[in-house]
Amino acid sequence: GNSVTQMEGPVTLSEEAFLTINCTYTATGYPSLFWYVQYPGEGLQLLLKATKADDKGSNKGFEATYRKETTSFHLEKGSVQVSDSAVYFCALISYTNAGKSTFGDGTTLTVKP
Amino acid sequence: EAGVVQSPRYKIIEKKQPVAFWCNPISGHNTLYWYRQNLGQGPELLIRYENEEAVDDSQLPKDRFSAERLKGVDSTLKIQPAELGDSAVYLCASSSTSAKEAFFGQGTRLTVV
Repeated sequence: GNSVTQMEGPVTLSEEAFLTINCTYTATGYPSLFWYVQYPGEGLQLLLKATKADDKGSNKGFEATYRKETTSFHLEKGSVQVSDSAVYFCALISYTNAGKSTFGDGTTLTVKP
Repeated sequence: EAGVVQSPRYKIIEKKQPVAFWCNPISGHNTLYWYRQNLGQGPELLIRYENEEAVDDSQLPKDRFSAERLKGVDSTLKIQPAELGDSAVYLCASSSTSAKEAFFGQGTRLTVV
């Protein structure tokens, strides 16, 4: 079956530090890939997405590139802010598996001033 | 545009009691999902609807869980009887089609005591 493996947290960074959260996946065919973010006390929100190989999704200074050769979709941000503190989830939708969605376990990011 | 609305936000019940959750998806979204999220884990799909048809309920524990989506709009998820292990956050999400990203409600936090 499909699976998503995320870098274990928690991750603690100082403001303006560079962020990388690793995500690798296993899926048949060519899934679409997503990063969702969950701020404290709120629901999951879509952060960015990529639907085919070599696509780069970007939003709010975050970026992730769909790497088919390494089956990865790592999340990066050049300079984090305290307001980026949240839980980040990597996810995929597999079209060869009837549109089934699979989420990673989430990575908690804390940014300190 | 209103987002996905879930109620209640919190529910505490004794084991063996029934409980129901309600979800109103984004207007016009044909696909509706119910997920369960255990503490420290990512969402796990319980059931997916395309309009009023349940197209993927392979992960729904059918001995105690049931769901319905009458008229292809609102949906309810029921547990009867609840067990201690059912304590989790139950998330509803919707998308325009199963190929598109899902939009999540804030979830219902269920505590079974």
